[in-house]
Amino acid sequence: RKEVEQDPGPFNVPEGATVAFNCTYSNSASQSFFWYRQDCRKEPKLLMSVYSSGNEDGRFTAQLNRASQYISLLIRDSKLSDSATYLCVVPSPYGNNRLAFGKGNQVVVIP
Amino acid sequence: EAQVTQNPRYLITVTGKKLTVTCSQNMNHEYMSWYRQDPGLGLRQIYYSMNVEVTDKGDVPEGYKVSRKEKRNFPLILESPSPNQTSLYFCASSPRTSGIGELFFGEGSRLTVL
Repeated sequence: RKEVEQDPGPFNVPEGATVAFNCTYSNSASQSFFWYRQDCRKEPKLLMSVYSSGNEDGRFTAQLNRASQYISLLIRDSKLSDSATYLCVVPSPYGNNRLAFGKGNQVVVIP
Repeated sequence: EAQVTQNPRYLITVTGKKLTVTCSQNMNHEYMSWYRQDPGLGLRQIYYSMNVEVTDKGDVPEGYKVSRKEKRNFPLILESPSPNQTSLYFCASSPRTSGIGELFFGEGSRLTVL
């Protein structure tokens, strides 16, 4: 299994709808997980950290399933401004001080 | 304003011509790192540094060098660039020495090697 796997999409979402996508990871020892947002050709920015079962911030909810080794991100009431690529990031199994980045889930919110 | 600054933002160069991409952060972070991002491959770590004079290889260090003489600066050096080093490069820093935490990224440097 790769360090981090994401379905690149694109996920075409009508405005106002809910979209959810998963990220699977290989490092069973991971204690922290992160979702970053990256706009086209821009730098990634932290959206949410997940240290236990999950986290919620407004319309965004992240959930962790340790048994199946995946984390999910759910976006409710999608806005046009949510169009971006969402990167899943977990500690790498190949180094104590390294993070592994997924290739991202591309979300396109359609008016 | 807390930030990570990279220069140059855009560069077109030729094979074999040494270049340096500078990275500077004003947040007093211990941890700094370089990544490259290529279509279909995601972000891959090149080198990282947990403290001054401490650097280590990431996933794709070949063809790159780094140095960390001061806490705020972490330049990326391409001694003899090749076309396969054409990429979008990001520098990042973290308040956690381990680097396992929030990363603050620079705006990116788009490098083209002809």
